[in-house]
Amino acid sequence: GAVVSQHPSWVICKSGTSVKIECRSLDFQATTMFWYRQFPKQSLMLMATSNEGSKATYEQGVEKDKFLINHASLTLSTLTVTSAHPEDSSFYICSAKRTSADTQYFGPGTRLTVL
Amino acid sequence: AQTVTQSQPEMSVQEAETVTLSCTYDTSESDYYLFWYKQPPSRQMILVIRQEAYKQQNATENRFSVNFQKAAKSFSLKISDSQLGDAAMYFCAYRSAGGGSEKLVFGKGTKLTVNP
Repeated sequence: GAVVSQHPSWVICKSGTSVKIECRSLDFQATTMFWYRQFPKQSLMLMATSNEGSKATYEQGVEKDKFLINHASLTLSTLTVTSAHPEDSSFYICSAKRTSADTQYFGPGTRLTVL
Repeated sequence: AQTVTQSQPEMSVQEAETVTLSCTYDTSESDYYLFWYKQPPSRQMILVIRQEAYKQQNATENRFSVNFQKAAKSFSLKISDSQLGDAAMYFCAYRSAGGGSEKLVFGKGTKLTVNP
């Protein structure tokens, strides 16, 4: 159990366009999902924490208007990168946890390349 | 704020041998969780092992075990009988157990190479 999927696994887009990344918990209900960004050869940087049915909590320095997060159901959270620019190119990873659980399970990540 | 330090950017081990990856953390909390995650070249983060701070017994998962020293704020990972498939980045992570933040604080990672 505890499988998390992400879609797409990779995406290339033009500068100025918006990209949506989906994160799904396949075999459990995830009241909380997390979005991370990982630069090459670096650790994961938490961008925001998303609770089902409420607004996401963004980490300091993360632009909430640029990285729109929606957690409309217990199995789906989406991250939309709006007006993407080359500096937004990165590896984005989501994770999910059950209610009252302590362990986060990670999706396989999405590689975003903005031309 | 909590911090996690992995002092070994890279480690190598011979196949079938044992290797220990270091992790220290800084916190003023008494109750928390510690994790080791593995990130192979596919970049999928995989949970290796977790430890609850209030439990004195060290967690084990098959060939993986930890040495949890709460007073020293140390949480090392021992991999026994290393296999080629163990080659990956290993991240140590901390999470508060209280009612506040649920976020994971990661170390910078240790790249493990397994030599045949």
